[in-house]
Order: sequence, then structure tokens, then C-alpha cells
Amino acid sequence: EAGVAQSPRYKIIEKRQSVAFWCNPISGHATLYWYQQILGQGPKLLIQFQNNGVVDDSQLPKDRFSAERLKGVDSTLKIQPAKLEDSAVYLCASSRYNEQFFGPGTRLTVL
Amino acid sequence: DAKTTQPNSMESNEEEPVHLPCNHSTISGTDYIHWYRQLPSQGPEYVIHGLTSNVNNRMASLAIAEDRKSSTLILHRATLRDAAVYYCILRDNVGGSEKLVFGKGTKLTVNP
Repeated sequence: EAGVAQSPRYKIIEKRQSVAFWCNPISGHATLYWYQQILGQGPKLLIQFQNNGVVDDSQLPKDRFSAERLKGVDSTLKIQPAKLEDSAVYLCASSRYNEQFFGPGTRLTVL
Repeated sequence: DAKTTQPNSMESNEEEPVHLPCNHSTISGTDYIHWYRQLPSQGPEYVIHGLTSNVNNRMASLAIAEDRKSSTLILHRATLRDAAVYYCILRDNVGGSEKLVFGKGTKLTVNP
């Protein structure tokens, strides 16, 4: 069974630029999550999808972050414009029952 | 969200058992205890979870106190590949919420 795929693995941008991350969850997993992990901290949930609907986006900075999962499969997370404090690893995860499966993450550096 | 308390770091020797503690004194009756670990430069991976009874799987054992206010993840024979940050998380299954709230976890160092 293929795992959660994410791209790109690394991205370096300057502040005020835009960036997008892509996630392909495990086949058949209806629930998809995006987490932000700042260095030295545990992952923080940004948004949770159930199929193509949003279940929880209470911690998503909606003035600059957006996410979509149009066909209930792949998902994209966008930051526009980026700030220095957005430097972090962005993790995508998917689940069907109790266990969440995480991708390798995208490491974003904002200069 | 209910909170957990874990030591910042622990050390172990290879092939010895490791007991990773977690305190969750404000746990509610519907909270499951989940453990995930994160190896360097990887996403977290599921280890084990339980509600009241002790649980075993191929990776580890989970010992839950009778009052459920604490639990211990047990790695029976640590290997170098077990060096990771271990997160103890309470997850409320009421209403179908699958949200995981990560703390800082315990960084486990395994010495050869």
C-alpha cells in the first residue's frame, strides 16, 4: 500500500511570495489533515477534511492560508503572502479509522 | 483539549527495555490514549492506542493505570532505530472527532 505522498519536499521563498503544497492521501482514506510543525514543537493541526468538506479549520490563519480538496482525494495548501514565521514543516496525513498516516512533509524556509 | 505531561528527554541503551511515562490527570471517560513517534526528518507514525486495558502490538506495549490518569509506553528491547520523539496524545472520540493535539513529546536517545 502506497503511503501519503507530498511535494515538494523542500521549498525556499522570500517573504511576501506565494507557495503551494500538494498532498495525495492513501487510497480510500476519506479524512485528510494538514499540520504545521515549527522546529522543536509538535505538529499543530491547520485543517481537517472529510471527503471534500472542511471539518475543522479553527487554527488556519485564513487571511493568508487556504486549502482545498476539490474531488475528495488530492489536496493543496497555499500560503499567500508568506511571512518569516511560516517557516516550518507542513505535514499531510490521512486516516480511515483510528490511525493517522503521515507523509514525509514539506520543509518551507521563508527568507 | 485534554493535556498530557511527558519528560522532555530520556536515554536508553540498545537492547534494554524502555518505559516512557505520560501523565494525563484531566482525562475524560471518552478519551483514548494514543502514542505516535517521529523519527528524524520523517512524519509521525502511529505506535499504539488504548482506552482502559493494557494493549500490546508488534511495536510496543501500552500500560494504563487503573484510574487512567497516567500511562506508560513500553519498548521491550530498544534498538537504534527507536530513537525518536514519542508523543502521548488524548483523543476524544465523542462526535467522531479525530483531532490529534500534539505536545512537545519525549525525545528518546538510544545508546549503542
